[in-house]
Amino acid sequence: AQTVTQSQPEMSVQEAETVTLSCTYDTSESDYYLFWYKQPPSRQMILVIRQEAYKQQNATENRFSVNFQKAAKSFSLKISDSQLGDAAMYFCGLLEYGNKLVFGAGTILRVKS
Amino acid sequence: GAGVSQSPSNKVTEKGKDVELRCDPISGHTALYWYRQSLGQGLEFLIYFQGNSAPDKSGLPSDRFSAERTGGSVSTLTIQRTQQEDSAVYLCASSLVSGGPTDTQYFGPGTRLTVL
Repeated sequence: AQTVTQSQPEMSVQEAETVTLSCTYDTSESDYYLFWYKQPPSRQMILVIRQEAYKQQNATENRFSVNFQKAAKSFSLKISDSQLGDAAMYFCGLLEYGNKLVFGAGTILRVKS
Repeated sequence: GAGVSQSPSNKVTEKGKDVELRCDPISGHTALYWYRQSLGQGLEFLIYFQGNSAPDKSGLPSDRFSAERTGGSVSTLTIQRTQQEDSAVYLCASSLVSGGPTDTQYFGPGTRLTVL
């Protein structure tokens, strides 16, 4: 069965600094996708970044990048130059081919000015 | 529309009543998903549609929950005889297809259901 674990219930970062959110997962599939979604207080789930498991290169979207370690089943999110608008709940998600998303418990990110 | 829309935004109901939650996916998206987000349970999958059929209903918590999708577009999630434990945010997502490189799921704003 798929499982996703986010071991950090809450993280804090100073504005303009860098923060890394951790995620580990378990799957028996070799082909799958990994996602980070952001959920601000408005509760709208917003896609932050996506990684295909078959790609060795780590995905990057502007200030957001991932460290994908397939053998270790680890998928961390790095946010550089943190901004107040980054404050939200962040969910790591695992999607097996043609299947449902399985999410971790989430990490609340607080950004201090 | 530009994104996934859901209605109502908030719903307060009395225990024992039936409720219907609506999801309008992104135009052209063939796959549609329902998730539930509740305190202590996180985000959990309920049901998934490919077109009008539901290949995976494994997440529906009881037979009080049902969902349908018509015309390959709008979906309705129905909860009969609501219980207080049904209180949660119900999220809908859609994707272009299910499976393959275009199956990124895009979420709606959710419906917050409160059962008194």
